[in-house]
Amino acid sequence: DTEVTQTPKHLVMGMTNKKSLKCEQHMGHRAMYWYKQKAKKPPELMFVYSYEKLSINESVPSRFSPECPNSSLLNLHLHALQPEDSALYLCASSQDAPQSLMAEAFFGQGTRLTVV
Amino acid sequence: AQSVTQLGSHVSVSEGALVLLRCNYSSSVPPYLFWYVQYPNQGLQLLLKYTSAATLVKGINGFEAEFKKSETSFHLTKPSAHMSDAAEYFCAVSTYNQGGKLIFGQGTELSVKP
Repeated sequence: DTEVTQTPKHLVMGMTNKKSLKCEQHMGHRAMYWYKQKAKKPPELMFVYSYEKLSINESVPSRFSPECPNSSLLNLHLHALQPEDSALYLCASSQDAPQSLMAEAFFGQGTRLTVV
Repeated sequence: AQSVTQLGSHVSVSEGALVLLRCNYSSSVPPYLFWYVQYPNQGLQLLLKYTSAATLVKGINGFEAEFKKSETSFHLTKPSAHMSDAAEYFCAVSTYNQGGKLIFGQGTELSVKP
């Protein structure tokens, strides 16, 4: 199983809503990532979890709150988002360092988020 | 700091023609280099990777890339384009002193004409 599964595939939320994005992998990977991708742009790293601990936060606003309940699951909690946060949110996983430097990152299909 | 430059935001080829997508990197330490493909409304899929073994790397779907240290390049090629190759292609670099973070280029959209 080389899949990273993200749910939901599409999400429309108001600026006062609270929602969560979910990501799951069963490849035994110990590094998991959240990326944000705007149209016609490359993915931008948001967070990295390594062995279920947050290892990188790329200065992401606090309205985005990541959570890693266990080694297979990664959540992104959303609260009080702005319209400019509308984007494709991608989850990825890879073997952890030192292998992560050369091991490929497996990406999910993403959640298309629209904030209205 | 590491960076990646992809020359040409859009490349158009005819079906059966050579595909050449250009990628140049900047890194003060040995880089690990990757090419990813993204089809519309999909996530990214790894095409191939360079990790300091062979300089000519073969990937999936008939793609290959050659690491040239003297030119700081990692161009992606395919001898004969297929309609199904139409997609967005991203070159990325990863180094140990960046904690394994992937630094992506701006992407190149490949169109294939019949």
